[in-house]
Amino acid sequence: EVKLVESGGGLVQPGGSLRLSCAASGFTFTYYWMNWVRQAPGKGLEWVANIKEDGSEIYYVESVKGRFTISRDNANNSLYLQMNSLRADDTAVYYCARGVRDYWGQGTLVTVSS
Amino acid sequence: EIVLTQSPDFQSVAPKEKVTITCRASQSIGNSLHWYQQKADQSPKLLIKYASQSFSGVPSRFSGSGSGTDFTLTINSLETEDAATYYCHQSSSLPFTFGQGTKLEIK
Repeated sequence: EVKLVESGGGLVQPGGSLRLSCAASGFTFTYYWMNWVRQAPGKGLEWVANIKEDGSEIYYVESVKGRFTISRDNANNSLYLQMNSLRADDTAVYYCARGVRDYWGQGTLVTVSS
Repeated sequence: EIVLTQSPDFQSVAPKEKVTITCRASQSIGNSLHWYQQKADQSPKLLIKYASQSFSGVPSRFSGSGSGTDFTLTINSLETEDAATYYCHQSSSLPFTFGQGTKLEIK
């Protein structure tokens, strides 16, 4: 069974940092691109970033470039999102998703507020 | 950036009826269009990939069609458990984008 479990969300002040993690199991992690997708409260879905199987290619949505960093640890089947210089409009549930977004985790809530 | 526009934004349909949701892309995306169902307080679930391929375990009443710029999700014989918001999503070019969502209410 494919399982993706996010963690690391919480309340952070504007300008602060947070690191999200996603633990993957039930599939061969090294065979798949991985993604972060977010959803602001009551809003739609927004793709944030993705990373190739070996980490050699990385892409971001324009609004997070220079502030967020996606990475992966293939030895530990884990995906990460380092979020710096957080803003109020980064408040969302952050999901990790496999490949062509076929499986998603349950999400972790990030709230940016003073 | 490719913009996906879904219609309608909201639909209220009785059980056993047929539902059609459309998704229009701002430029041709081939068949790189996927459909998701998101129930309240849950993560999205993939229904249809690459316009018309049913994802594993998805009931046969869900089907997709289209190519280029116009796509359709059809739900035959609606069931009460189908109450959800449905999103289309393109993987043709970066940044990947989603439609705004269609909320489906069961009468």
